[in-house]
Amino acid sequence: QTVVTQEPSLTVSPGGTVTLTCASSTGAVTSDSYPNWFQQKPGQAPRALIYSTSNRHSWTPARFSGSLLGGKAALTLSGVQPEDEAEYFCLLYYPAAQPWVFGGGTKLTVL
Amino acid sequence: EVQLVESGGGLVQPGGSLRLSCAASGFTFSSYWMHWVRQAPGKGLVWVSRVSNGGSATNYADSVRGRFTISRDNAKNTVYLQMNSLRAEDTAVYYCVRNMVQGAIVDFDPWGQGTLVTVSS
Repeated sequence: QTVVTQEPSLTVSPGGTVTLTCASSTGAVTSDSYPNWFQQKPGQAPRALIYSTSNRHSWTPARFSGSLLGGKAALTLSGVQPEDEAEYFCLLYYPAAQPWVFGGGTKLTVL
Repeated sequence: EVQLVESGGGLVQPGGSLRLSCAASGFTFSSYWMHWVRQAPGKGLVWVSRVSNGGSATNYADSVRGRFTISRDNAKNTVYLQMNSLRAEDTAVYYCVRNMVQGAIVDFDPWGQGTLVTVSS
């Protein structure tokens, strides 16, 4: 069974920079995994942030950027704001019977 | 406005069945794959199932294959999730999500507000 791994929790200071990663148990994450990133705040539905590795949606602030880093998908927040405190999930594609797998999520605390 | 509205959740006994619906509006429904994603209380997101834009292709998570069936009615702009042989571990908020696939561009937006399914005696 494929497992996608994210850091369970991270803490960052306001104005700081933090990188969240998304690793696959099957090997290096590539653009063919079409990494997607989502933000979820308590009591709300998830909201799409980044698609196909590095593309921002029109509503995604420029301080959010997606990339591939050291065989993982990465989401970097630069100049973190208090409102960025949330849980972040990645989603990866696999050419298999179960084609999409979410990571376990990273709870980001801004402190 | 592009919108997805789920319905059909509720309390069901173990072994029971439930059918979820997701009504779409504001876009050409028949052009998009549609997915169901669930989230157990206090837990992360779990991909459940997808259906192709025409309805002929479907996929399922290992945990629901053989018990859940995804389908769609493009005339009604609605996607369904028929859930049979429900277990306590199926308790979750179920979200439907639109999936655009255009070459190398693959995104998941928007998400519905979710519908809660509780499996308990």
